[in-house]
Amino acid sequence: KAGVTQTPRYLIKTRGQQVTLSCSPISGHRSVSWYQQTPGQGLQFLFEYFSETQRNKGNFPGRFSGRQFSNSRSEMNVSTLELGDSALYLCASGRGTGREKLFFGSGTQLSVL
Amino acid sequence: GESVGLHLPTLSVQEGDNSIINCAYSNSASDYFIWYKQESGKGPQFIIDIRSNMDKRQGQRVTVLLNKTVKHLSLQIAATQPGDSAVYFCAENIPGNQFYFGTGTSLTVIP
Repeated sequence: KAGVTQTPRYLIKTRGQQVTLSCSPISGHRSVSWYQQTPGQGLQFLFEYFSETQRNKGNFPGRFSGRQFSNSRSEMNVSTLELGDSALYLCASGRGTGREKLFFGSGTQLSVL
Repeated sequence: GESVGLHLPTLSVQEGDNSIINCAYSNSASDYFIWYKQESGKGPQFIIDIRSNMDKRQGQRVTVLLNKTVKHLSLQIAATQPGDSAVYFCAENIPGNQFYFGTGTSLTVIP
């Protein structure tokens, strides 16, 4: 069974640009969560999608958005990039039933110059 | 927001010794907890989980202990090996909400 796939693996952007990251969950999983991880910090929750609907949202500005498609694949978008957006963005998939383990992808390392 | 904290940001142990990584959580409504291991350049990998109706759960070389009275979680790794060197995160979950992760503890195993 394939794991969680995130693309691209690395990304370099400049301030003011926008970026789209992609996540394909484990087959059969309907929930996709996104996290931001910066050096020395834990994982900061961005949002969770289940059956194409945003189910939970973290405390990030509106520049961060996401969506989920009917095949459960998810994308997140960051507009008007800032230097502080440089981070590892992790996607996690789950069945979506709650109180279940999440399976993480390897992440997309975003560098904003 | 929720707070999940770790007592020690770094931990160094001799190969073959047992390791104990601690975690404090703040919300008494949290009823599901997971320990993750993250190696350099990889995403977090599930180690073991425990529900609030349990105090202890054992896996292969790992044991998680949950003390709900003081809202404390610990991960014990038996006979620590060099491959155990990584950052370990605990995560708590409140029903209907997302997981909250701590900042992590970096474990270094000395050969």
